[in-house]
Amino acid sequence: EIVMTQSPATLSVSPGERATLSCRASQSISGDLAWYQQKPGQAPSLLIYGASTRATGIPARFSGSGSGTEFTLTISSLQSEDFAVYYCQQYNNWPPMYTFGQGTKLEIK
Amino acid sequence: QLQMQESGPGLVKPSETLSLTCTVSGGSISNSLYYWGWIRQPPGKGLEWIGNIYYNGNSNYIPSLKSRVTISVDTSKNQFSLKLSSVTAADAGVYYCAREDSGYSSGWYDVWGKGTTVTVSS
Repeated sequence: EIVMTQSPATLSVSPGERATLSCRASQSISGDLAWYQQKPGQAPSLLIYGASTRATGIPARFSGSGSGTEFTLTISSLQSEDFAVYYCQQYNNWPPMYTFGQGTKLEIK
Repeated sequence: QLQMQESGPGLVKPSETLSLTCTVSGGSISNSLYYWGWIRQPPGKGLEWIGNIYYNGNSNYIPSLKSRVTISVDTSKNQFSLKLSSVTAADAGVYYCAREDSGYSSGWYDVWGKGTTVTVSS
């Protein structure tokens, strides 16, 4: 099983500032990584796939980077609606055995 | 616009079988471009992938649940279903159905249902 580790567990950032979230895979997953945002009481929503491709309708302030085992989600200028929990997910296996990170809670400083 | 909706009992007794259905509207479940998946989230915890299914019935499951889980598809009703047997308290949480791209090097979920909460209690 590929273990996904996100850091930090909680990140406190002020609105307008930049947030950088990390995700590490226990073995190389090439670029087979997605990022999701989850707000309280809601389903997750897709932000990024292929490590760096924004999903339809996702603002340009969200960007993803990385390959192999180290990945980053950057939110360039935080808006109030961005404070949420973020998960990474790897989909590198065949047959599928997808795994998620434990999440990073992005909170208002 | 594709929409997905989970349905099923919100309360299941320990040792019994959890049964959920996901109804897809605004698109066909027989679309060869997609898989259809189940993901769950225990209370206050992170996401766990359970498994997925293709319209032709080919399915994949997480190894830790493989002995207890079955995912099936009913293309005539545009639905797919999850059955999880011998449930315990550890199986409680919110269960989501979602659409998965089936292309090369894909496996992300771009459309999700709102989720349904399952409680395991006698």
